[in-house]
Amino acid sequence: EDQVTQSPEALRLQEGESSSLNCSYTVSGLRGLFWYRQDPGKGPEFLFTLYSAGEEKEKERLKATLTKKESFLHITAPKPEDSATYLCAVQPNTNAGKSTFGDGTTLTVKP
Amino acid sequence: NAGVTQTPKFQVLKTGQSMTLQCAQDMNHEYMSWYRQDPGMGLRLIHYSVGAGITDQGEVPNGYNVSRSTTEDFPLRLLSAAPSQTSVYFCASRGDKNIQYFGAGTRLSVL
Repeated sequence: EDQVTQSPEALRLQEGESSSLNCSYTVSGLRGLFWYRQDPGKGPEFLFTLYSAGEEKEKERLKATLTKKESFLHITAPKPEDSATYLCAVQPNTNAGKSTFGDGTTLTVKP
Repeated sequence: NAGVTQTPKFQVLKTGQSMTLQCAQDMNHEYMSWYRQDPGMGLRLIHYSVGAGITDQGEVPNGYNVSRSTTEDFPLRLLSAAPSQTSVYFCASRGDKNIQYFGAGTRLSVL
């Protein structure tokens, strides 16, 4: 059974204080690992896809990295508008490609 | 381009009532899914469809039915609502590179 564990559950940062969110996973053959951002009262929005260990993707203040067992979402010099819940999901090669989501990390950035 | 549209946005039901949550997408995606999200938790897959006429169960299918008569529409039916089905429901369609596009959600309360 595919599993995704995200930590910490909640993270409070001061504006400009860099940090990282963790996503540990087990999957029977990884097709892709996805990061989504979810704002309160809205549906998740796609951020990144990572396919193989060693891969990195960047977008503004966010950088996602991938190893064989975990992914990190690094947030550099965050701003209050980065406050959201960040969800990690894995998609296997088998099982009709059904995605498994983690419970998310809720990030709050104080000005 | 509307993307994924869910209706209604809010709904209150009494125990035992039935209802249908509507989902429509205009991106011509074959793969569509229904998830539920409970407070502080990630998304759990209810049912999914890989194309018109083809549906299958996800992680938590009990108490829900789906059908897929067209590529655009993927309604979710609650047969006899129970308080345990109080949740936020998200519909998603999956496009290129397996990226999922989510609707804004339906917030359901069962009394």
